[in-house]
Amino acid sequence: GAVVSQHPSWVICKSGTSVKIECRSLDFQATTMFWYRQFPKQSLMLMATSNEGSKATYEQGVEKDKFLINHASLTLSTLTVTSAHPEDSSFYICSAGGGREVGLTEAFFGQGTRLTVV
Amino acid sequence: SQQGEEDPQALSIQEGENATMNCSYKTSINNLQWYRQNSGRGLVHLILIRSNEREKHSGRLRVTLDTSKKSSSLLITASRAADTASYFCATNSGYSTLTFGKGTMLLVSP
Repeated sequence: GAVVSQHPSWVICKSGTSVKIECRSLDFQATTMFWYRQFPKQSLMLMATSNEGSKATYEQGVEKDKFLINHASLTLSTLTVTSAHPEDSSFYICSAGGGREVGLTEAFFGQGTRLTVV
Repeated sequence: SQQGEEDPQALSIQEGENATMNCSYKTSINNLQWYRQNSGRGLVHLILIRSNEREKHSGRLRVTLDTSKKSSSLLITASRAADTASYFCATNSGYSTLTFGKGTMLLVSP
């Protein structure tokens, strides 16, 4: 299957700083990438959908200025958590799909990033 | 809002037994997918069943779909300790957007 690489796997940062998480599709071009957030023992909640070359579409309740998403190329999307606070601590997962090499209905997930804000 | 609701929330069985997890959803779908997640890791796609399919097999996995009841089940036969993980159903109603259920935590004891 297609490979999606997410980096870093875990990060600890101080409150008030910003953290950037990268999501790369390694062997296919992803016109669309998705960012999810998962709290412990809970399901994945879609945060936003990013399309290459255009602005991301955010789900209701997700702050655009807080979670900056950039999808500058067909293989890279980034999520920046700005001015992080302890309540932003969570597991963030990206997925990619929609490329010509990938079926439109199957998504491939990164390994996830564990963010801890202290 | 979440589409899928899995039950049970947690399931504990012995190796060799079968594990059945159920998923219910609310709106019409193009397909339903099951994913596995080991603790603190990303998701692994297990199986996809389209809305016009009723049953699908993959190795020790068997998935059924009943669109009239808006429900699906995942059966893992002859379970192994390595099957211990959380299992999520996710519905797709178009393009690549998935809506996930709350998941079932499966514990398989040796």
